[in-house]
Amino acid sequence: GQNIDQPTEMTATEGAIVQINCTYQTSGFNGLFWYQQHAGEAPTFLSYNVLDGLEEKGRFSSFLSRSKGYSYLLLKELQMKDSASYLCAVRSNYGGSQGNLIFGKGTKLSVKP
Amino acid sequence: ETGVTQTPRHLVMGMTNKKSLKCEQHLGHNAMYWYKQSAKKPLELMFVYSLEERVENNSVPSRFSPECPNSSHLFLHLHTLQPEDSALYLCASSQALDRAYYGYTFGSGTRLTVV
Repeated sequence: GQNIDQPTEMTATEGAIVQINCTYQTSGFNGLFWYQQHAGEAPTFLSYNVLDGLEEKGRFSSFLSRSKGYSYLLLKELQMKDSASYLCAVRSNYGGSQGNLIFGKGTKLSVKP
Repeated sequence: ETGVTQTPRHLVMGMTNKKSLKCEQHLGHNAMYWYKQSAKKPLELMFVYSLEERVENNSVPSRFSPECPNSSHLFLHLHTLQPEDSALYLCASSQALDRAYYGYTFGSGTRLTVV
């Protein structure tokens, strides 16, 4: 089967750094995505990792370890507008699927002044 | 505006009603998806279309009926729904099924309430 775990909620302070972890168990792994979703809005693409290592994009970085089934999203210099849900999603070819994205439940991040 | 437009944004319907959700994209993408997002649950994949052909149906009840008349439009026809079908229904598109490393582009969703 397939399973994706991430914390339900996190709180951090404006200007700080926060790390949101994601662990997954899946067959036919073919990439991991992070999405940001503000309340009542569309999820928006943040990052994609398919090889081990760190991908940096401005204030956001994403890390992947395929051997550990582990990823994290690192947000630096937090701003109030970063308050949102962060969705971890794995692309898998499990069960002969076309490689669709399977999502975790999301981590609701609250940034406090 | 994400490039994927969903209408209506909000819908309240009775269990005996028939309604349709509409999704439109003008990104030149060839694959389109319907997802269901319920509170405290992960996004659930419902249907996948590639070049207007349904390629996946994840055991969705027959009261949900998708339609893809062309690569830019996707519909979800609803009839005799149950209260537990109340959720946010998200449409997404990608360049192609095997090129999703560019990520999916999601619409803002339709918030459906079944009464």
